Amino acid sequence: QSVLTQPPSASGTPGQRVTISCSGNTSNIGTYYVYWYQQLPGAAPKLLIYRDNQRPSGVPDRFSGSKSGTSASLAISGLRSEDEADYFCAAWHDSLSGRWVFGGGTKLTVL
Amino acid sequence: QVQLQQWGAGLLKPSETLSLTCGVYGESLSGYSWSWIRQSPGRGLEWIGEIHYSGSTTYSPSLKSRVTMSIDTSKDQFSLKLSSVTAADTAVYYCARNSTEYLFDFWGQGTLVTVSS
Repeated sequence: QSVLTQPPSASGTPGQRVTISCSGNTSNIGTYYVYWYQQLPGAAPKLLIYRDNQRPSGVPDRFSGSKSGTSASLAISGLRSEDEADYFCAAWHDSLSGRWVFGGGTKLTVL
Repeated sequence: QVQLQQWGAGLLKPSETLSLTCGVYGESLSGYSWSWIRQSPGRGLEWIGEIHYSGSTTYSPSLKSRVTMSIDTSKDQFSLKLSSVTAADTAVYYCARNSTEYLFDFWGQGTLVTVSS
């Protein structure tokens, strides 16, 4: 059971816009930045979005992040076949002893 | 370009100690924290802990009693030890870099560690 909740799957057709949600609480998303990662099959995760909505250099502007309250979203516009991957959100979780926590991941299928 | 390359034993017996090392190339360890993260089908991505280049550590509460991290700035390497492993510790283990702005912006290639008698 992950601290951050993501839908297990999402899908879209080429060119479409898809959003993936990440739900938390005031101990994590509601207080701290959210980060998003893309993981292609057999590869390590890759940082896609940092500090809620910032893109590292090299990440296409088709990828965007947003946050409201205790939930965050990753949007992918102009969907491409190469976007088919697992997507994870992450945030700091401030409990008795803080730690970084991840969502369970969303498998994106490009139909 | 920063590259992280990790190595260590991939097959352990229950009660043994997992030992992995991550080498950092193209960048000094200084100024950053360095994390270990594992991934398994049953537990998803799990942060194990991090070590600052100064040597200070922060461990996940659930693993704290079994984890030891160390750093060797002269070799640009950092290491993970996880004691008393069980089948539940079977996972792909990754090393990754933290900075004050980014989180886990560079990753190692991953090491599959299997615990089996």
